[in-house]
Amino acid sequence: DIVMTQSPDSLAVSLGERATINCKSSQSILYSSNNKNYLAWFQQKPGQPPKLLIYWASTRESGVPDRFSGSGSGTDFTLTISSLQAEDVAVYYCQQYYFTLPTFGGGTKVEIK
Amino acid sequence: EVQLVQSGAEVKKPGESLKISCKASGYSFPNYWIGWVRQMPGKGLEWMGIIYPGDSDTRYSPSFQGQVTISADRSINTAYLQWSSLKASDTAMYYCSRHVSPNSETYSAYWGQGTLVTVSS
Repeated sequence: DIVMTQSPDSLAVSLGERATINCKSSQSILYSSNNKNYLAWFQQKPGQPPKLLIYWASTRESGVPDRFSGSGSGTDFTLTISSLQAEDVAVYYCQQYYFTLPTFGGGTKVEIK
Repeated sequence: EVQLVQSGAEVKKPGESLKISCKASGYSFPNYWIGWVRQMPGKGLEWMGIIYPGDSDTRYSPSFQGQVTISADRSINTAYLQWSSLKASDTAMYYCSRHVSPNSETYSAYWGQGTLVTVSS
C-alpha cells in the first residue's frame, strides 16, 4: 500500500489569507510513461460526501474556484487556497490513485482564525 | 447524468449480518470500477475495496480483507457491501464511489450520498 501523510492536521487562517496543505506519499506516484502524478485533492464539509477539487496533482475540476491550486511531483504535493473564503471551511484530503485501490491521507481541517 | 444512490441508514446489533447497496445510473455499469469508503465518526476517509462489475475483479485494502465482502449485480446496476457478523467498531458512514473513467488507475469523481451504519447492543 502507498501511505499518504498530510500536514498539518489542522490550520486556522484569516479570511483572505493563504492556506497551504502538504501531502507526502511513501513512494513516488509519478508514472514515468505519461509523466503524470496520480494524486487528487478532495474537500469534505460536514454531512456531505467528498468533493473532487484537483486531479493529476494540478488540474482543477470543472466548477472549482481558481483560488484552489495543486502543485508538486513525485512524493511531495501541496494544495493551496490563495485567499480563504468562509465557504472553504472543511476537511481536505489528498488521495493517490497510482494503484487501482486508492488511499487517502489523514485529512487537514481548515478553519477561520 | 451519473448517479449513485445508496440504501438507507441501518441500526443493527453486534453479530448481525448486513448488506448495503449502491444503485448506479447514467452510465455503463459494467465498465467502471466502483468501490466503498468508510468514515468512522469524526475520522478520516478509508478506502475499503473496489470492484470491476464487468468481470467481478475485486481488490481489498489489507485492513478490510476478510472483514467485508464487496459484490456487484450487473442485471440491476448495483454494488454491495456486506458483513457476516457486525461489530460495534463497524459503526460508520459508508460511501460508494466510482472512478472517473474505465481505466483502473484513476481518480474517484462520483460519490453516493452515504449510508450510516450503527451497530449497538
